[in-house]
Amino acid sequence: EAGVTQSPTHLIKTRGQQATLRCSPISGHTSVYWYQQALGLGLQFLLWYDEGEERNRGNFPPRFSGRQFPNYSSELNVNALELEDSALYLCASTDLRVDTQYFGPGTRLTVL
Amino acid sequence: AQRVTQPEKLLSVFKGAPVELKCNYSYSGSPELFWYVQYSRQRLQLLLRHISRESIKGFTADLNKGETSFHLKKPFAQEEDSAMYYCALRGQAGTALIFGKGTTLSVSS
Repeated sequence: EAGVTQSPTHLIKTRGQQATLRCSPISGHTSVYWYQQALGLGLQFLLWYDEGEERNRGNFPPRFSGRQFPNYSSELNVNALELEDSALYLCASTDLRVDTQYFGPGTRLTVL
Repeated sequence: AQRVTQPEKLLSVFKGAPVELKCNYSYSGSPELFWYVQYSRQRLQLLLRHISRESIKGFTADLNKGETSFHLKKPFAQEEDSAMYYCALRGQAGTALIFGKGTTLSVSS
């Protein structure tokens, strides 16, 4: 069984640009979570999507947004990039019956 | 406020020594507690969760509601245990995890 996949592996942008990160959940999983792992700050919850709808968001500004597609894959968009957005962005998926979050390998975003 | 605290950034032990990775939490209610582990060049993966009350790779963790702690223990550390360990909590089922900042465990021979 394939795990959670994320693309791209690395992404380099400059301040003010927009970044789009993608996540494909494990087959059968309907929930996708996004987390930011910034240096020194640990893993912080960004967004939760389930069945195509945003269920909750963490304490991040509105320029962090996303969506979930009918096939349950998800996109995270970060607008007006700032230097402090440089981090590893992790996606996790779960089936609420299994109720365990499985993580992808992450996308390393660098903002110059 | 919901919070997970892992007081040690780094824990260094010798092979065969006991290990205890500390985790304290703050949550008004009955949370579910987890330990996740990230080995070098691998993705974050679930190690154990308190409701399972199981031992994985020799590790155990007991939820102490009085002390609001969920420390991870192993009686005899192995070199392959070297990794980053994260404690996390979750309120309602399906909601997001709240992570501590992690503890790096280094086991040397």
